[in-house]
Amino acid sequence: ILNVEQSPQSLHVQEGDSTNFTCSFPSSNFYALHWYRWETAKSPEALFVMTLNGDEKKKGRISATLNTKEGYSYLYIKGSQPEDSATYLCAPGDYKLSFGAGTTVTVRA
Amino acid sequence: DAGVTQSPTHLIKTRGQHVTLRCSPISGHKSVSWYQQVLGQGPQFIFQYYEKEERGRGNFPDRFSARQFPNYSSELNVNALLLGDSALYLCASSLDTSEQFFGPGTRLTVL
Repeated sequence: ILNVEQSPQSLHVQEGDSTNFTCSFPSSNFYALHWYRWETAKSPEALFVMTLNGDEKKKGRISATLNTKEGYSYLYIKGSQPEDSATYLCAPGDYKLSFGAGTTVTVRA
Repeated sequence: DAGVTQSPTHLIKTRGQHVTLRCSPISGHKSVSWYQQVLGQGPQFIFQYYEKEERGRGNFPDRFSARQFPNYSSELNVNALLLGDSALYLCASSLDTSEQFFGPGTRLTVL
């Protein structure tokens, strides 16, 4: 099980603003990095699986980058909307995912 | 297509009791993983089963056990419940070892 840190723990964003947050993980023996979005009372939703250094993935207004050499990933939300309010979890690993505690995003209308 | 389903949604047990949680994977998925999530922390890996065999186990005591059935559904069993076992238990299914799809979880409260 890997030591994974996500920062900040929480953030509040005005509707329409863009934001980003960080996932840090051990760079050694890297296999893949997973990002999930978890809304209250719902199942965690898979956003991205990233494997290559320099990878950039995009899904609608959400995108992510990966640096495996230094052990971090950024997730970006462009033009935040209230429906983006959720906890965003990152998890490096193969089949044993090691989750961070998440970044909780609250978008204010 | 139905996603991952888990039952029950909630349950309450007392210390020392035993509990069984159930998970049905997405049709066609042969792998099931179990995670425990306590408040304020990310989910922690408990087990993964692939093709009915245990592929990996996290840092959990032997009170935790699981199995996978021929139809790829799975059960998580916890014996001699402790207060600290109170958590949300998540099940995830995957085709192999790649992207995992999660169910809504079972909320276990131990009194």
